[in-house]
Amino acid sequence: DTEVTQTPKHLVMGMTNKKSLKCEQHMGHRAMYWYKQKAKKPPELMFVYSYEKLSINESVPSRFSPECPNSSLLNLHLHALQPEDSALYLCASSPPTGTRMGGYTFGSGTRLTVV
Amino acid sequence: GENVEQHPSTLSVQEGDSAVIKCTYSDSASNYFPWYKQELGKRPQLIIDIRSNVGEKKDQRIAVTLNKTAKHFSLHITETQPEDSAVYFCAASTKAGTALIFGKGTTLSVSS
Repeated sequence: DTEVTQTPKHLVMGMTNKKSLKCEQHMGHRAMYWYKQKAKKPPELMFVYSYEKLSINESVPSRFSPECPNSSLLNLHLHALQPEDSALYLCASSPPTGTRMGGYTFGSGTRLTVV
Repeated sequence: GENVEQHPSTLSVQEGDSAVIKCTYSDSASNYFPWYKQELGKRPQLIIDIRSNVGEKKDQRIAVTLNKTAKHFSLHITETQPEDSAVYFCAASTKAGTALIFGKGTTLSVSS
């Protein structure tokens, strides 16, 4: 299995809702990432998990809360989002950090619309 | 902080011509440089990558060159086809090899 699977593919939520984005990979990758991508812009790094521990938080607002329950799963919990948070949220995984980097694989993304 | 500059932002070529996209990076510790192609509404797809111990890599019509001293790397596409039309992003590993930082992207249009 060489895929990173993200669910749901599309999500519309109100500003008072709580929702979660899910990401799963079975490639044995021990680094997993959340990126946010606005239209016609590059992916922006949000969080990095290495061996199920949060290693980087790029000053992301607390209304975004990541979670890594195990080496195959990565969640992003959303609460009290703003319309400007509407974007494509991409999950990625790669072989263990600190080793030769490569094999960085993106999921198909969740297109989030906050109304 | 770490930064990746990418040029040009848009590039229009005729089918069969070559296209070149250039990137520079700021983190001297960067050692991995992938290129991604992103079609409208789809995920970024890795098309080629290069590591810092290699100066050039080629895969059919696509090649990447790296100049570590100058901290720049380039994507070369030869014999372009309309299906090459997409947004191309360069990236560099950074933060002690824990993440990728992306350039702003180049919109390539290949007209037949």
